[in-house]
Amino acid sequence: DAKTTQPPSMDCAEGRAANLPCNHSTISGNEYVYWYRQIHSQGPQYIIHGLKNNETNEMASLIITEDRKSSTLILPHATLRDTAVYYCIPLSSGSARQLTFGSGTQLTVLP
Amino acid sequence: DAGVTQSPTHLIKTRGQHVTLRCSPISGHKSVSWYQQVLGQGPQFIFQYYEKEERGRGNFPDRFSARQFPNYSSELNVNALLLGDSALYLCASSRDTKSHEQFFGPGTRLTVL
Repeated sequence: DAKTTQPPSMDCAEGRAANLPCNHSTISGNEYVYWYRQIHSQGPQYIIHGLKNNETNEMASLIITEDRKSSTLILPHATLRDTAVYYCIPLSSGSARQLTFGSGTQLTVLP
Repeated sequence: DAGVTQSPTHLIKTRGQHVTLRCSPISGHKSVSWYQQVLGQGPQFIFQYYEKEERGRGNFPDRFSARQFPNYSSELNVNALLLGDSALYLCASSRDTKSHEQFFGPGTRLTVL
C-alpha cells in the first residue's frame, strides 16, 4: 500500500470549511483513497472514499488531483463535533480491506 | 440498529496472564477485523475473519490469536501478556471482505501491569 503524508495538526474556525490535505505520491492505479476519522475515545468512523473522480456525500467532499498523487478532504461547514484525528488511507481494490492507519491529522475546530 | 459491540470496555491484567476480548458485529455483517491502537498512534491491523476463516493477519506475534463463530461474533485472545500489549483493541465489521465501509466498535481498553 502507498505511503501517506498528512500534517500533524490543523485548526479551523467553527462554521468555516476545513480542508485536510494528504500526499500519496506512490499510490498505484488500483488503490482507492479512503478517509476515516477518530473522535477522542471512540472507534474510527468511515467518511468517504474515491478512486479518481471527486466524490461528495452527506459528511464531506473528496478532491483527488488528476495525477492522483494527493487529495483533499473538505468539511464544508465545520462544527465542534468535527474535532477528531483524520486519516487518509490508500487501499487497493483487490485487498481484503485491511486498513493501514498512519498518524493522521488532528483537526481542532475552534468556537 | 445496534452497532458493533465489544466487551469488556476496560480490563486490567498482569504480565504473563492471558486475555479474551469479544466482538459482536452489526447484524448481517460477516467480516470482522481486529486492530490494536497504542496511545498516540493510529490503529494497527491484527486479523481479519470472514465466514469463520482467517483472511488476513498483520505483523503480530503468535501470542495473538482469534476466531469467528457461526453467528459471526469473534474473540481475540492474547497469551503471555507483556506491558507493551497495553492498548485500545478495536473491532470492525463489514458485510464482506470487499465492502468499502468498515464499522468500528468503541474498543476494549487493556492495561497490563
